Amino acid sequence: GAGVSQSPSNKVTEKGKDVELRCDPISGHTALYWYRQSLGQGLEFLIYFQGNSAPDKSGLPSDRFSAERTGGSVSTLTIQRTQQEDSAVYLCASSTLQGYIQYFGAGTRLSVL
Amino acid sequence: AQSVTQPDIHITVSEGASLELRCNYSYGATPYLFWYVQSPGQGLQLLLKYFSGDTLVQGIKGFEAEFKRSQSSFNLRKPSVHWSDAAEYFCAVGARDSNYQLIWGAGTKLIIKP
Repeated sequence: GAGVSQSPSNKVTEKGKDVELRCDPISGHTALYWYRQSLGQGLEFLIYFQGNSAPDKSGLPSDRFSAERTGGSVSTLTIQRTQQEDSAVYLCASSTLQGYIQYFGAGTRLSVL
Repeated sequence: AQSVTQPDIHITVSEGASLELRCNYSYGATPYLFWYVQSPGQGLQLLLKYFSGDTLVQGIKGFEAEFKRSQSSFNLRKPSVHWSDAAEYFCAVGARDSNYQLIWGAGTKLIIKP
């Protein structure tokens, strides 16, 4: 596609429910990143995928968070048993194998009531 | 520890005035430096980057930044701001040996007075 696509753009859920956030990276980009941006904060790294290598999950804040990337393309970030502190904008970015430039989607704004 | 500091949380400038947003970093390796802009409700867009060579780099939308190794700084400048420049600006640092990880500043929100 022309850019990184994220869906949904907004998600409102109840505390304790599971949510899935989707990211469709730029075609041909082998690297994919998930970030969390809380209100008024910078970017918090969550997870990184590069090709077929094992993902770097070092930024995931708890075992309620998980992500997968199918076929080296689309990625899904899953948050189980959501908590109010999970409310944030979740940003996805992609880049080429040798690139340091990350291209961002518009994000998913998650609100946990 | 590796870090990026954007000391100004908010900056307010009048339309047509000049702008400088500060970014200081602490990084052990030779840094790659980036400025991104985030308009309300949008993702981040790359304004400019420094990898090597000329320390004054030009970006999109009339922005430029200067890498000063001695000061560990990479300040963003624009000679005359427009109302459409109102946004949040993020500085980020990476390095060749980091492979992919960028260290991000907390951002500076730019407010434009008419």
